[in-house]
Amino acid sequence: GQQLNQSPQSMFIQEGEDVSMNCTSSSIFNTWLWYKQDPGEGPVLLIALYKAGELTSNGRLTAQFGITRKDSFLNISASIPSDVGIYFCAGLQGYNYGQNFVFGPGTRLSVLP
Amino acid sequence: DADVTQTPRNRITKTGKRIMLECSQTKGHDRMYWYRQDPGLGLQLIYYSFDVKDINKGEISDGYSVSRQAQAKFSLSLESAIPNQTALYFCATSDLVGPGELFFGEGSRLTVL
Repeated sequence: GQQLNQSPQSMFIQEGEDVSMNCTSSSIFNTWLWYKQDPGEGPVLLIALYKAGELTSNGRLTAQFGITRKDSFLNISASIPSDVGIYFCAGLQGYNYGQNFVFGPGTRLSVLP
Repeated sequence: DADVTQTPRNRITKTGKRIMLECSQTKGHDRMYWYRQDPGLGLQLIYYSFDVKDINKGEISDGYSVSRQAQAKFSLSLESAIPNQTALYFCATSDLVGPGELFFGEGSRLTVL
């Protein structure tokens, strides 16, 4: 099935550094969602984006809906140890068509003290 | 308490056994989904249901079946478990209307020996 591409696959950063990751596709999406998954837990929704060019923040997290509608970006500022986890993106191609959620494989973030 | 609850959280079973994973939600959402997560891959859709009388196959439905017992309950069955069904399974819900956000349960880790 269709999958999204995420980069980087993993990253190790020092506490206090900023983090950038992205999600790309060859297809257009109407909605982009960013999730964080802690080990052994379910994904938790961080940010939802609904319009091309939209920039939305949630605390230290900022995400953008790419202008081409084929990509999205997530930034984390001033990272802290609890930011450790897997961040993955999801795209929705239709409105109210749940079967069209498509997921990326995730970016694994490690924060070194 | 979690809005989307999965049981069991962990299960080890043997090849050929029948397994049922259960999901219940208190979000009042009409739509429920079962996903499978394997390391390095994005979430893959197994089955989804838009209401009690609606069941649809996802991209990897072979070897699985589901039952939507009520609006709030959606169970996944493996009729005869095999080792390559070892994975982390997630139930998710979304609203019938609205922007299309998925809310996940905490996951059920299944190991088939």
